[in-house]
Amino acid sequence: DTGVSQDPRHKITKRGQNVTFRCDPISEHNRLYWYRQTLGQGPEFLTYFQNEAQLEKSRLLSDRFSAERPKGSFSTLEIQRTEQGDSAMYLCASSLSRKFGNSPLHFGNGTRLTVT
Amino acid sequence: QQQVKQSPQSLIVQKGGISIINCAYENTAFDYFPWYQQFPGKGPALLIAIRPDVSEKKEGRFTISFNKSAKQFSLHIMDSQPGDSATYFCAARASGNTGKLIFGQGTTLQVKP
Repeated sequence: DTGVSQDPRHKITKRGQNVTFRCDPISEHNRLYWYRQTLGQGPEFLTYFQNEAQLEKSRLLSDRFSAERPKGSFSTLEIQRTEQGDSAMYLCASSLSRKFGNSPLHFGNGTRLTVT
Repeated sequence: QQQVKQSPQSLIVQKGGISIINCAYENTAFDYFPWYQQFPGKGPALLIAIRPDVSEKKEGRFTISFNKSAKQFSLHIMDSQPGDSATYFCAARASGNTGKLIFGQGTTLQVKP
């Protein structure tokens, strides 16, 4: 199965530490999205890339958050100086954007972050 | 800003019954409405989707009904099975070319044997 892969699956960190998550999208997909999901809520959009370009960032993405997709393949999401409110599931999704439409978003199984 | 409202928050249905989940949206610029299914510890998986020029779409036991004038759409699960027990999310995509989805709050479905 060559679906969206996220690493690590779980991360426990102490408040104030930095964390980095990785996402490997479906190989032919040129778009990559990051979402955050808290308990009992739907996923909330954070940011997305087309190839290596970051095209949109949500207001939810404070300056402690940074995302990269250096070669248009995998992506990393870094959170600096973590806070307890950052505890959530971080989901990555990918899709193929074509001239006449986009394929559906395919999600990975997420990285669950717990900040103690 | 809440753009997609989903109800009910939770639903219990007997095996063989019909599960109905409703969503309402505000932005008339949305052009694609998918439903995702999520099991504990997993990411959301696309279940079925509809475009606003169609009033109904059926795939197996799953049907989306779409009412453009009321800005509402719903998911119907016929002959519900215990394996359908999961959290269901409706979503809407803004027109343009971002592909970004706005999700509802989710409905936790329990199908009792």
